[in-house]
Amino acid sequence: NAGVTQTPKFRILKIGQSMTLQCTQDMNHNYMYWYRQDPGMGLKLIYYSVGAGITDKGEVPNGYNVSRSTTEDFPLRLELAAPSQTSVYFCASGSGGTTYEQYFGPGTRLTVT
Amino acid sequence: AQSVAQPEDQVNVAEGNPLTVKCTYSVSGNPYLFWYVQYPNRGLQFLLKYITGDNLVKGSYGFEAEFNKSQTSFHLKKPSALVSDSALYFCAVRVRRDDKIIFGKGTRLHILP
Repeated sequence: NAGVTQTPKFRILKIGQSMTLQCTQDMNHNYMYWYRQDPGMGLKLIYYSVGAGITDKGEVPNGYNVSRSTTEDFPLRLELAAPSQTSVYFCASGSGGTTYEQYFGPGTRLTVT
Repeated sequence: AQSVAQPEDQVNVAEGNPLTVKCTYSVSGNPYLFWYVQYPNRGLQFLLKYITGDNLVKGSYGFEAEFNKSQTSFHLKKPSALVSDSALYFCAVRVRRDDKIIFGKGTRLHILP
């Protein structure tokens, strides 16, 4: 049981490039989330999804896009990368209902130069 | 607006002493409250939660937390600290009927040998 997996672990982008951060969970969770973690700032929610085909914006969605075509996968797309997007990105999933706790992936460290 | 505050950026405790990491919240409605821990270069791990019932909840690794509705607090505690408890701790709150969880900025806990 792998839990939540993220690829890549590290990436360096040039300004203006695009990329997709991959996230997959094997726990059959309906809820999935993308966060970014900046030093001393805690976690900020970028986008989330409550099921396949349903996505919604979080606190800091600008510059990002998501899709949720299957229960397992929730990729995050960065278009026209900017230095302000340098951060560590975490994907998480949860079953919702009465449990609500989230399970996190190991993170992707992204640097935009 | 919903919010969660962790007033201490860092807490230092001698090994063997009791520890407390503080958290206060502001929500409209009854909250679901969580504590997560993050070890270096890892994703967040769920420690414990309060949903309803007994105000003192017990979690992983000997941690516990006390829900205090009148003070809107959910402090994390452990009777005897271990060096291995050194990590970054996040408090989080979710309001019922809302799919999002709001995280605090985190408190770095240093256990001194």
